[in-house]
Amino acid sequence: GENVGLHLPTLSVQEGDNSIINCAYSNSASDYFIWYKQESGKGPQFIIDIRSNMDKRQGQRVTVLLNKTVKHLSLQIAATQPGDSAVYFCAETLSGYSTLTFGKGTMLLVSP
Amino acid sequence: DAMVIQNPRYQVTQFGKPVTLSCSQTLNHNVMYWYQQKSSQAPKLLFHYYDKDFNNEADTPDNFQSRRPNTSFCFLDIRSPGLGDAAMYLCATSRDTRVYNEQFFGPGTRLTVL
Repeated sequence: GENVGLHLPTLSVQEGDNSIINCAYSNSASDYFIWYKQESGKGPQFIIDIRSNMDKRQGQRVTVLLNKTVKHLSLQIAATQPGDSAVYFCAETLSGYSTLTFGKGTMLLVSP
Repeated sequence: DAMVIQNPRYQVTQFGKPVTLSCSQTLNHNVMYWYQQKSSQAPKLLFHYYDKDFNNEADTPDNFQSRRPNTSFCFLDIRSPGLGDAAMYLCATSRDTRVYNEQFFGPGTRLTVL
């Protein structure tokens, strides 16, 4: 059957807190970085992306920060809600391509 | 609403018995992707079609094949499923591959191999 030996890193927060989810990416030549949200039993859902020539991008309640020096990406969620509970994946893509390489996921658990 | 549809949502097959998973899209996108996602792991790209051009990832086993008879439909064929092929299979689409653009994912098909 499936490999069930792996466990996702988990971030547990209270409703209303701000959440920060981190990701280390692998390829210094990657051009776009994307965050996806995946709820249980569903496909990944696009949240926000950022190009490599930027270091910060804001959306509705979300902010993505990019530090190319240390190849680090973070997703900040303001005023976290129970509906934000999901697994969050970062992904990267090379310039001129849209094929994605996903990083390890982080499970976000939001308590009411 | 334009969307990516996968059928069935749950599929049970026997060890070694061929199985086909299907994906359709109403987005009229040129590119369709198949990913394998095992429990607690990230999606892993198996292959993709840009229009009729098939692009296989180097580490995708020969046991996995794909067909795209038209723009709207794409199929994943597993010729001889093993226990290790039990996973969620995700279909995604995008407008193009030559520049970055957003991928839209279907809900996935959960495959169980007995």
